[in-house]
Amino acid sequence: DAGVIQSPRHEVTEMGQEVTLRCKPISGHNSLFWYRQTMMRGLELLIYFNNNVPIDDSGMPEDRFSAKMPNASFSTLKIQPSEPRDSAVYFCASSTEGGVQPQHFGDGTRLSIL
Amino acid sequence: EDKVVQSPLSLVVHEGDTVTLNCSYEVTNFRSLLWYKQEKKAPTFLFMLTSSGIEKKSGRLSSILDKKELFSILNITATQTGDSAVYLCAGGSGSARQLTFGSGTQLTVLP
Repeated sequence: DAGVIQSPRHEVTEMGQEVTLRCKPISGHNSLFWYRQTMMRGLELLIYFNNNVPIDDSGMPEDRFSAKMPNASFSTLKIQPSEPRDSAVYFCASSTEGGVQPQHFGDGTRLSIL
Repeated sequence: EDKVVQSPLSLVVHEGDTVTLNCSYEVTNFRSLLWYKQEKKAPTFLFMLTSSGIEKKSGRLSSILDKKELFSILNITATQTGDSAVYLCAGGSGSARQLTFGSGTQLTVLP
């Protein structure tokens, strides 16, 4: 079974550029989560969707960050303009509906902003 | 604000040792406690616990939850070098699907 698929695996770009991270959740999962992981702050939830609708974006650091889920099999996280402090590993996870279910993570995108 | 605290932050043991990792939580409308193992890439799911006192086991790993004292432990017996990883604990709220993660315990198993 295919797991959560993220792309790209690595992204290196200069400050000020737009960055788009992509995620394909596990088929049949209707909850999707975007996380950011750094050494200093650990794993932080940025936003999550249920049935393609954003439910809680209180973790999104600022207006430079935006996320969309146009359909059940695709989501994007965009940073515009990017800053060096955005450098981190960004994970996407998905789960089935119904209370608290285990979330299954993608391999992440390692983002470096120079 | 929900909070999950793990201890110790890091642990170095030798193969064959038994380790106990700790997780305490303060989660509004607590529903479940989850353990994940993170090696170089994605966190991989280990256990989900919802009831106190019922031990979950998978091979050499086991975990138990105490909902009265708000903590969980993860035990690994007869450790192997392949157990080296960061172990993450997360509290799940029944009112939402978010998980609040702890900062993890870095386990290093030496040959």
